[in-house]
Amino acid sequence: GQQLNQSPQSMFIQEGEDVSMNCTSSSIFNTWLWYKQDPGEGPVLLIALYKAGELTSNGRLTAQFGITRKDSFLNISASIPSDVGIYFCAGQRTGTASKLTFGTGTRLQVTL
Amino acid sequence: NAGVTQTPKFQVLKTGQSMTLQCAQDMNHEYMSWYRQDPGMGLRLIHYSVGAGITDQGEVPNGYNVSRSTTEDFPLRLLSAAPSQTSVYFCASSYYRGYYEQYFGPGTRLTVT
Repeated sequence: GQQLNQSPQSMFIQEGEDVSMNCTSSSIFNTWLWYKQDPGEGPVLLIALYKAGELTSNGRLTAQFGITRKDSFLNISASIPSDVGIYFCAGQRTGTASKLTFGTGTRLQVTL
Repeated sequence: NAGVTQTPKFQVLKTGQSMTLQCAQDMNHEYMSWYRQDPGMGLRLIHYSVGAGITDQGEVPNGYNVSRSTTEDFPLRLLSAAPSQTSVYFCASSYYRGYYEQYFGPGTRLTVT
């Protein structure tokens, strides 16, 4: 079954605001990733995290690999309309080599 | 490079029909995988392959078959379509050592009536 809980499920924010979302699990993960999916397309990798405590940025996006290895956070600063989409966390859970587990997604909508 | 390509883009099947969803990549990736995406469920792994001739089951393999005769192609076969298989199907590929950094195709939207 689903191993990753994402919150919030959806967000409606104004352009220019900062956004935070997170992903939690009861299991330990060795790798955390954040993908973005635009309508009608496949997910695209935004950030990959490989070590507990790691903080990585990609432009206005910043993600962190939680110290407990059971959670990860994604922040988007100064949101713009093209940030609209669904954000998925994903990870490789200990004991599940070669398989990624995906979260249920956070749908982000940005108003002008 | 075309990246990961999937055909068809849309498909409607009747219950009991069989069909093959095609997936191809031109990046010489060892790792390829199939996911299905349902509302509120995220992406769930159906089958994956770590190289030509090697396949394994994911989280939801029942009702689907795969084979990997070449590095480039990884078709997904629905043996006897059921309404529960109505979904959007994504193929993805990556280098094996970085299999989590996957490149996704555009998806196939399948409806089974």
